[in-house]
Amino acid sequence: DSGVTQTPKHLITATGQRVTLRCSPRSGDLSVYWYQQSLDQGLQFLIQYYNGEERAKGNILERFSAQQFPDLHSELNLSSLELGDSALYFCASSVVPKTGSQFFGPGTRLTVL
Amino acid sequence: ELKVEQNPLFLSMQEGKNYTIYCNYSTTSDRLYWYRQDPGKSLESLFVLLSNGAVKQEGRLMASLDTKARLSTLHITAAVHDLSATYFCAVDMANAGGTSYGKLTFGQGTILTVHP
Repeated sequence: DSGVTQTPKHLITATGQRVTLRCSPRSGDLSVYWYQQSLDQGLQFLIQYYNGEERAKGNILERFSAQQFPDLHSELNLSSLELGDSALYFCASSVVPKTGSQFFGPGTRLTVL
Repeated sequence: ELKVEQNPLFLSMQEGKNYTIYCNYSTTSDRLYWYRQDPGKSLESLFVLLSNGAVKQEGRLMASLDTKARLSTLHITAAVHDLSATYFCAVDMANAGGTSYGKLTFGQGTILTVHP
C-alpha cells in the first residue's frame, strides 16, 4: 500500500458523459501527478500539481481538467467522454518533484460504453 | 520530444538464470526510475537513479544509469517466479531549465515471465 488513495476503483459510463476521479496523496506529499494507462498509448503523463498550483502538463486533452485543493487532494475531471478514453487512470504523489520517487495509487479503471 | 525505449518487450526466463533489461532514452536526463507492475495492480517503485554512474541493488535486482550513453539497465540475478511482472523505466523530462521535475516519460514496459 503506497498510501495514495483513489476513488472510485471502477467507473462505467456512457459516451458524452462527465466523470470526476479523486485522489488523496500520501501524508506530507505536496506534489500530485495524473497518468493514463491504456493498451495502445501505454503510460502517459497528464498533469502535475504542486501545493495547489499546476506545474506541468503532458498530453492532456482539452476535455480533461484537474485541480488540487488546499487540503492537497486532487480531482481529475473528464468530460464529453469518448470510447477511447477508457483506460486506467493513476494518481501519484511525491514529497518534492526533484528527487523523490513518485508513489502510485491503486488507479481508477474507467470504461466508456 | 523525449522517447524512452525498453528492450526486450517480452522476456521469458528460466528460474535461476540471469538477464538484463535495457532502457534507452533520447534526451539528456539524470533522473531515471524503475517501477514494477503486477497484472491489474498499481506501479511499485523499485529504484531511483539520480546521477551518472548510480547503481542500486535490492535483492535479485540491480539497476544502473549511464547518462552519457542515455542508458539504464535492470539486471536480474538468479530469477525466481515471484519476479514475474511488467517492469517500466521512466525518465524525468526535466531539462537544464530544471523547472518541471516530475514529468515522467515511461518506456513501453517489459513483460517478464519466469518459468520453473
